[in-house]
Amino acid sequence: AQSVTQLGSHVSVSEGALVLLRCNYSSSVPPYLFWYVQYPNQGLQLLLKYTSAATLVKGINGFEAEFKKSETSFHLTKPSAHMSDAAEYFCAVSEGRAGGTSYGKLTFGQGTILTVHP
Amino acid sequence: EAGVTQSPTHLIKTRGQQATLRCSPISGHTSVYWYQQALGLGLQFLLWYDEGEERNRGNFPPRFSGRQFPNYSSELNVNALELEDSALYLCASSSRLAGVRQETQYFGPGTRLLVL
Repeated sequence: AQSVTQLGSHVSVSEGALVLLRCNYSSSVPPYLFWYVQYPNQGLQLLLKYTSAATLVKGINGFEAEFKKSETSFHLTKPSAHMSDAAEYFCAVSEGRAGGTSYGKLTFGQGTILTVHP
Repeated sequence: EAGVTQSPTHLIKTRGQQATLRCSPISGHTSVYWYQQALGLGLQFLLWYDEGEERNRGNFPPRFSGRQFPNYSSELNVNALELEDSALYLCASSSRLAGVRQETQYFGPGTRLLVL
């Protein structure tokens, strides 16, 4: 079974500082990887996705992530944090199986709450 | 283009009752997924419907069930409600491209179920 580990349940940065949210996954087949953001009392919004094309993926709101197969990582970064980035961030993997099909489910990490200080 | 919509936004039930949650996917999307986000338990996969059929099910008891209608909208039914069923229930949808189901899931705002 696939799994996702997000290192750090809480990350705090100052406005304008670098944001780095860590995600490691385990998968026996090439994965599809996603980052979602959840604002309070809302659903999940897709930030970006890796689907076996370029390893450096750019998303919305200035976020990007790099797929590193050797490290089984998919860390999320943003060069300069804004107050509006404060939210909970989830890394997810699509549980694939050999032959290109999948089980349809996303397996999520436990989430990282990002706090941005003025 | 409208996103995934869910109704109701909030639902309050008592133990033993039944709850019905509804989801309309993005126009043109044929797959619908249900997830439970309970406090302290994270996001857990519940069900996947594609082309009207249940394709996969998470580790939940049979009292969690659902269906997908011909217009691809979906219902999640939870019978014999228990206190621990209190959670945010999220619906997501995905599209097909040249007949191939796409992996990217787009989420709705959720239905918050409170069981008293």
